[in-house]
Amino acid sequence: QKEVEQNSGPLSVPEGAIASLNCTYSDRGSQSFFWYRQYSGKSPELIMFIYSNGDKEDGRFTAQLNKASQYVSLLIRDSQPSDSATYLCAVKRSGNTGKLIFGQGTTLQVKP
Amino acid sequence: GAGVSQSPSNKVTEKGKDVELRCDPISGHTALYWYRQSLGQGLEFLIYFQGNSAPDKSGLPSDRFSAERTGGSVSTLTIQRTQQEDSAVYLCASSLWRVNTEAFFGQGTRLTVV
Repeated sequence: QKEVEQNSGPLSVPEGAIASLNCTYSDRGSQSFFWYRQYSGKSPELIMFIYSNGDKEDGRFTAQLNKASQYVSLLIRDSQPSDSATYLCAVKRSGNTGKLIFGQGTTLQVKP
Repeated sequence: GAGVSQSPSNKVTEKGKDVELRCDPISGHTALYWYRQSLGQGLEFLIYFQGNSAPDKSGLPSDRFSAERTGGSVSTLTIQRTQQEDSAVYLCASSLWRVNTEAFFGQGTRLTVV
């Protein structure tokens, strides 16, 4: 079982729709959860992070965390063609064992 | 510097040669990560340095791979006797020590083994 799992997609949504990206993780010691966006040929860049159960909103983005279910998601409202990219879920444990582990990423395509 | 700096940006090497990839993290960042990304794939964890603690080498794929971090700053990833399957983009990232802080990535080194 991979430590962090994502559906590789592609996930295709029409412009203006809500895109829902999902991620599950296996290590219950995980403390922090990150969503990165990676455009083709570029390095990953952080969209947002979450470490408490519940929802966290930042503009058009909402991260959701459910530690009991070991599940984290990212919602993108009013999707734009510029949101087309690969979205990487990353998970970190605390302390000196806090290596950052990434899922394989979900490719999102937003069609005009 | 303002961001994570990696060098070289591109490296073409012959099979069997050794290569060294360099990462200069953001000043003050005690955590440093190396990842490998093959075409169309996710980020494969290689190694993690945190301050003066022993590095987590659990992701290194073989004993041909090694990394060091001198003075808690610059890191070098060395691949000995390169193979064609080593061709990938090698990404370095750094962060503060706190668990709830983001990692910032360098632009990566694209390694091609011919």
